[in-house]
Amino acid sequence: DTEVTQTPKHLVMGMTNKKSLKCEQHMGHRAMYWYKQKAKKPPELMFVYSYEKLSINESVPSRFSPECPNSSLLNLHLHALQPEDSALYLCASSPKGLAGGPINYNEQFFGPGTRLTVL
Amino acid sequence: LAKTTQPISMDSYEGQEVNITCSHNNIATNDYITWYQQFPSQGPRFIIQGYKTKVTNEVASLFIPADRKSSTLSLPRVSLSDTAVYYCLVGDVEYGNKLVFGAGTILRVKS
Repeated sequence: DTEVTQTPKHLVMGMTNKKSLKCEQHMGHRAMYWYKQKAKKPPELMFVYSYEKLSINESVPSRFSPECPNSSLLNLHLHALQPEDSALYLCASSPKGLAGGPINYNEQFFGPGTRLTVL
Repeated sequence: LAKTTQPISMDSYEGQEVNITCSHNNIATNDYITWYQQFPSQGPRFIIQGYKTKVTNEVASLFIPADRKSSTLSLPRVSLSDTAVYYCLVGDVEYGNKLVFGAGTILRVKS
């Protein structure tokens, strides 16, 4: 299995709802990432997990709560979102690579994303 | 993190070679240069990565001059399916580190 899967594909939620995005990979990667991408803009990093521990939080508002229950699974819990949070949410994972080694150094494998609309 | 500058868009025709140049004047010693491709409503896909000189794989070549202040992604004989956004990223690619995407170049391939 060489892909990152994300569910759901699309999500519509109200500002008072609580929902979760799910990301899964079975490539044995030990780093996983959440990105947010607005229309016609580049992806922006939100969180990085390394060995199931949160290692980078790019000052993301607390209404976004990441969780890494195990090495294959990454969740993003959503609560009290605003309409401006509507975007494509991308998950990625990367293997632990060595410079000059057989795999591209920290190549990130992205999922197809979840298209989130907040009403 | 080094800032990158790319053309906003480029047009090409099928069968042509396309070269997209990225400027990164403040590249640091530990930084690698990485290119990703993204189709609409899909996640980015890794294309190629290099540190210096030339790197070639089955889909592209990456040319990096000695001063490393710029790099050029070369796509040989493009087809309509190469229409996408191409991102140049420069950074220390340590394990679990962050990627900072620049604005990207929209490549449109016409028949």
